[in-house]
Amino acid sequence: EVQLVESGGGLVQPGRSLRLSCVASGFTFADHAMTWLRQAPGKGLEWVGFIKGNAYGGTTEIAASVKGRFTISRDDSKSIAYLQMSSLKTEDTAVYYCSRVRDVLANHVPDYWGQGTLVTVSS
Amino acid sequence: QSVLTQPPSASGAPGQRVTISCSVGTSNIGSKGLNWYQQLPGMAPKLLIYSNDQRPSGVPDRFSGSKSGTSASLAISGLQSEDEGDYYCATWHDTLYGWVFGGGTKLTVL
Repeated sequence: EVQLVESGGGLVQPGRSLRLSCVASGFTFADHAMTWLRQAPGKGLEWVGFIKGNAYGGTTEIAASVKGRFTISRDDSKSIAYLQMSSLKTEDTAVYYCSRVRDVLANHVPDYWGQGTLVTVSS
Repeated sequence: QSVLTQPPSASGAPGQRVTISCSVGTSNIGSKGLNWYQQLPGMAPKLLIYSNDQRPSGVPDRFSGSKSGTSASLAISGLQSEDEGDYYCATWHDTLYGWVFGGGTKLTVL
């Protein structure tokens, strides 16, 4: 059974940093890109960034809204994906989800999602 | 203009069929396939439909998807009270090199 468990969320002051973790199990982690998404309170879903498997270069892509402040990394030996967030702003307050990416022909599908971890940026 | 446009709300009585639309802003968006997610209250999103009309294993056949040109829709037949929640369409955006989501449709079961 595929499982994704995020952790690391909490209350943080504006301008500070926070690192989220996503522990994966139930599938071959190295074979899949992983993506991070977020949902501000009462709002819709927003893509944050993704990282390819190391076998595919381990390259990352970050959404323009957080580029330069957020980075994504992974440790395939531990089946963990990370989201490093710095210079946090109040508008970064959201539930952060990690998701596994499944490639179906040319379609990239975030198929399994974790339960999310809440990040609150406030002084 | 949003890349993916959904109506903010939809409703139906138990047992009825309801459809939720997703309008794709430009013809080259969504060409790789449109995905639909269900988010029940207080829960994480769950993949309901991928590649326009494919159901992951475990998703009841009451849920179906279709796409024609720049219009896609999610149909839910035999509506049940537990279907109440938010539904999002999403697709890979080649130019952004990431995913874009519709604004979501809140489904109310009357």
